[in-house]
This record gives sequence, structure tokens and C-alpha cells, in this order.
Amino acid sequence: GENVEQHPSTLSVQEGDSAVIKCTYSDSASNYFPWYKQELGKRPQLIIDIRSNVGEKKDQRIAVTLNKTAKHFSLHITETQPEDSAVYFCAASKYPGTASKLTFGTGTRLQVTL
Amino acid sequence: DGGITQSPKYLFRKEGQNVTLSCEQNLNHDAMYWYRQDPGQGLRLIYYSQIVNDFQKGDIAEGYSVSREKKESFPLTVTSAQKNPTAFYLCASSILETGGGQQFFGPGTRLTVL
Repeated sequence: GENVEQHPSTLSVQEGDSAVIKCTYSDSASNYFPWYKQELGKRPQLIIDIRSNVGEKKDQRIAVTLNKTAKHFSLHITETQPEDSAVYFCAASKYPGTASKLTFGTGTRLQVTL
Repeated sequence: DGGITQSPKYLFRKEGQNVTLSCEQNLNHDAMYWYRQDPGQGLRLIYYSQIVNDFQKGDIAEGYSVSREKKESFPLTVTSAQKNPTAFYLCASSILETGGGQQFFGPGTRLTVL
């Protein structure tokens, strides 16, 4: 089955700096790659997603890049703020037209310090 | 994602008891999912359902059972056969969409076995 690896497991940045989280996937048939943010004790919430026919997607301070050849995708957060502190999960899915059975990475705990 | 609810928020169980976690959604989503989250780990898929009266095992289905009698509801039963049931359980739902659809998560149920 699909395997998603995520790095780093923890990341500390100063407010205003950029943060980058990287994920690799094993199944070349995967075609949907969402990123979720989970604050302590809360539900995961989708922050951005990308499909395999697109190489990059941006939404304000957040961007995701996808390299299908290398089978990796990355989350970029610019101008980080304290409210960006949370656990971020990447995921991959490969079932077009059916339920999006997601395989998650193990998460990155991002700490934005003042 | 305010349209998907889980109850109870906290649940305590004695060893050997079965317990049922509730998940309801009013988003008119066809697909529903159950995930388990352990500290320091990503979300792992337990069961998912694409249509009423049909469901499939995920990666860690042993010791769990589900039903899908109504489109809006997807309860999860944690049976006494589940060896290590203490975890945070998350329900999610999505539309069925080519290439995968965004999953919306419920607030979760924290199950503790005493």
C-alpha cells in the first residue's frame, strides 16, 4: 500500500521566518495531496491541497509544490505568525472517482516563537 | 466542517466492554471515514463507506466494526477484541469526486480504557 513519510517531526522558527515541511510518497498512482493543520485537541482542518496535474499552488502565505518524478511534495509557509503553531499533516490518495482513501504522514509540530 | 458532529467528546471504558462512538453529518456527503490518532502519529484509517449499507476495511480494522444504515450516520463500535483502544477517534466525510475530495473532520472522541 501507500506509504507517506514526513519531515521534520518538529520545527521551530522565529516569527516572520519561513517554514518548509516535506513529504514523500511511495505509490506513483497517487494523485491528490492535501495538507491539514491540527491545533491541540482540535480537529484537523484542510489548509491547502494539490492534484497531480499541477506543480504548485498558492494561497496567501501558504504554498504547496509537487514533484511527481521524485514523488515528493512540500508545504511552504511564509511570514510565519504565532497562530501558525500547530501540527501539520500531509496525506496522499490514489482512488479517482471513489472515496478519497487518504494515507497520512506522521505529522510536523511547528512552533513559531516571538 | 461544522456540519459533522461526534459524540461523546470523552468516553471511558472498562476492559472487556464494547463501546459505540457516534458520527453524524448534515453535509449530504456520500463518503464517511473513521480514523484513529495516537500521540506522535498520523491518522490511520479504520473503516470507510462510500454508500449506505456498504463499507470497507481500512488499514487497522481489527477489533472495530461499523454500520451505515443512513447516509447521515456512520457509528463505530470498538469491541473488546481491540487490544489497545485508548486513542483519539476522528470521523470524516467527503463527496465522491474524481481524483479525491476534501475530507471534513468531526471534533473527535477521546476514548480511554480504564
